[in-house]
Amino acid sequence: AQSVTQPDIHITVSEGASLELRCNYSYGATPYLFWYVQSPGQGLQLLLKYFSGDTLVQGIKGFEAEFKRSQSSFNLRKPSVHWSDAAEYFCAVGARANAGKSTFGDGTTLTVKP
Amino acid sequence: DTGVSQDPRHKITKRGQNVTFRCDPISEHNRLYWYRQTLGQGPEFLTYFQNEAQLEKSRLLSDRFSAERPKGSFSTLEIQRTEQGDSAMYLCASSLQGVEGYGYTFGSGTRLTVV
Repeated sequence: AQSVTQPDIHITVSEGASLELRCNYSYGATPYLFWYVQSPGQGLQLLLKYFSGDTLVQGIKGFEAEFKRSQSSFNLRKPSVHWSDAAEYFCAVGARANAGKSTFGDGTTLTVKP
Repeated sequence: DTGVSQDPRHKITKRGQNVTFRCDPISEHNRLYWYRQTLGQGPEFLTYFQNEAQLEKSRLLSDRFSAERPKGSFSTLEIQRTEQGDSAMYLCASSLQGVEGYGYTFGSGTRLTVV
């Protein structure tokens, strides 16, 4: 069975500082990996995805993530955080067996200090 | 295309009543998913459809829950005899079969409060 762990429940960074959100997954083979962002009271928006090829993937809003198979990790990074990045971030793993279903972590809440 | 639409946005119901939610996916997407999200948790998978066929149901989905997707277009999720534990955000998402690596497009969700 697939699973996702996001070790940090809450992270606070200053505006302009760099950000790294951690994600570890469990899956028997190479999975699909995703990061989503959720603003309060809203649905989730896809930030970026990995499914093959280059292990460093670029997404929207200046985010990037790196797939590290040896560490079963897919950490999200941003070099300079903006106040509008404050939100909840979810990592998800999807099966490649055409099942379509994704399993989500419990999220990391990002607070941005002025 | 206006994305994935969910209706209503909010629903308050008394315990024991039945409720029905609607989801309109992106028109060219043939896969549709229902997830449930409670405070402090990530979305939990409930069920998904490929066209009109319901391909998988989570064990989380008790007999009080039923979902349909007639004609492979919009979908409805019905909860019968609601309980306070059903209070949650119900999220709908859609995707295109064969390109799951492209991720989901989510709707804004329906927030259910059972009083």
